[in-house]
Amino acid sequence: QKEVEQDPGPLSVPEGAIVSLNCTYSNSAFQYFMWYRQYSRKGPELLMYTYSSGNKEDGRFTAQVDKSSKYISLFIRDSQPSDSATYLCAIRAGGGNKLTFGTGTQLKVEL
Amino acid sequence: DSGVTQTPKHLITATGQRVTLRCSPRSGDLSVYWYQQSLDQGLQFLIQYYNGEERAKGNILERFSAQQFPDLHSELNLSSLELGDSALYFCASGRAGGSDTQYFGPGTRLTVL
Repeated sequence: QKEVEQDPGPLSVPEGAIVSLNCTYSNSAFQYFMWYRQYSRKGPELLMYTYSSGNKEDGRFTAQVDKSSKYISLFIRDSQPSDSATYLCAIRAGGGNKLTFGTGTQLKVEL
Repeated sequence: DSGVTQTPKHLITATGQRVTLRCSPRSGDLSVYWYQQSLDQGLQFLIQYYNGEERAKGNILERFSAQQFPDLHSELNLSSLELGDSALYFCASGRAGGSDTQYFGPGTRLTVL
């Protein structure tokens, strides 16, 4: 079993839709949770960073962490074609250095 | 633009050869992390350097090595290349040596023929 599981998609939604992206993890030591966006042939770009259970909002993006269920989510409101990319969850243990990534979910927002 | 630079962008070489990938971290960042991204394995952590010293090691093969120089740029050396080493190699940089945010460079695409 992988430490971090993420549905690879692809996920196709119409413009303006609310998108929900999810990851589950198995290691209780994971304390820091990130979402990266990766456009084709580009490096991952940090979108959201959180270290506690609950919600964190930044513009159209909301990150949600449920440590009791070992489940993290990223919501994108009013999705735009420019949001079409691969979204990677990344998790790190407290005091650790290594990021453990999910496999990424490919999202396509269609006009 | 994350501020992390990587060269070259693309590299095509043959099996058995050796290549060097270069990374310059963001201004002020002391840590450099190397990752490999392949279709079947996803993004995998290889190794971290902090201020010239190796800090953490991940799934790095013995044929691979890295170092960080006094000016903080880092090089990843890949030797005795195999077809399976074809992948995207990313470096990321961070401010400190531990639990800090990592900013990724644009990557080097390595193709081994």
